[in-house]
Amino acid sequence: QLQLQESGPGLVKPSETLSLTCTVSGGSISSGEYYWGWIRQSPGKGLEWIAVILDIGYTHSNPSFRSRIIFSSKDTSKNQFSLRLSSVTAADTAVYYCARGWDRHDHFDYWGQGILVTVSS
Amino acid sequence: QSVLTQAPSVSAAPGQMVTISCSGSNSNIGSHYVSWYQHLPGGAPKLLIYDNNKRPSGIPDRFSGSKSGTSATLDISGLQTGDEADYYCGTWDDSLSAGIFGGGTKLTVL
Repeated sequence: QLQLQESGPGLVKPSETLSLTCTVSGGSISSGEYYWGWIRQSPGKGLEWIAVILDIGYTHSNPSFRSRIIFSSKDTSKNQFSLRLSSVTAADTAVYYCARGWDRHDHFDYWGQGILVTVSS
Repeated sequence: QSVLTQAPSVSAAPGQMVTISCSGSNSNIGSHYVSWYQHLPGGAPKLLIYDNNKRPSGIPDRFSGSKSGTSATLDISGLQTGDEADYYCGTWDDSLSAGIFGGGTKLTVL
């Protein structure tokens, strides 16, 4: 059974960079038919698609975040993928989920439990 | 304001059927597969429907999906109190070159 687990700081100061890592177990992130993504839910709001990575150098990101995503990377040796979001504000306070997606089918079938990230000084 | 439009809320009695709609455009629903997710408070979203109308293993056939043109619907029959959750549609958008979700519909089972 595939499992995903988010990790990262629970508290980030405004203007700093948020770094999140998703560790995948029970399967390899090297498989070409999948992409690996980040989704968030801010308090009282709906799901928001952030970015996905298929392979190193091959990513897609929501235009709303594109200028602030420093990189979305994949480490096959550790079976992890990561996201770095710069210049965070209170509006970036949210539960962040990592998930496995199907390329060209565009759905996420396995999700992590989510990590709450609060942006506050 | 989401690119995909969903009614904010819907309600029905136990045992009844409810339809949740998702409206988009040619650059998203009209050109790509639609998926549906159930999101219970405090948990991870759960895939209910993918490729417009397919159910993952373990999802009961009370949940069904369809797509027509630039709109999609999720039908839930035989409503149970445990179905109370937020439901989201999702797809890809060519204009954004990114995935998108609808704004979500909160289902209340009265």
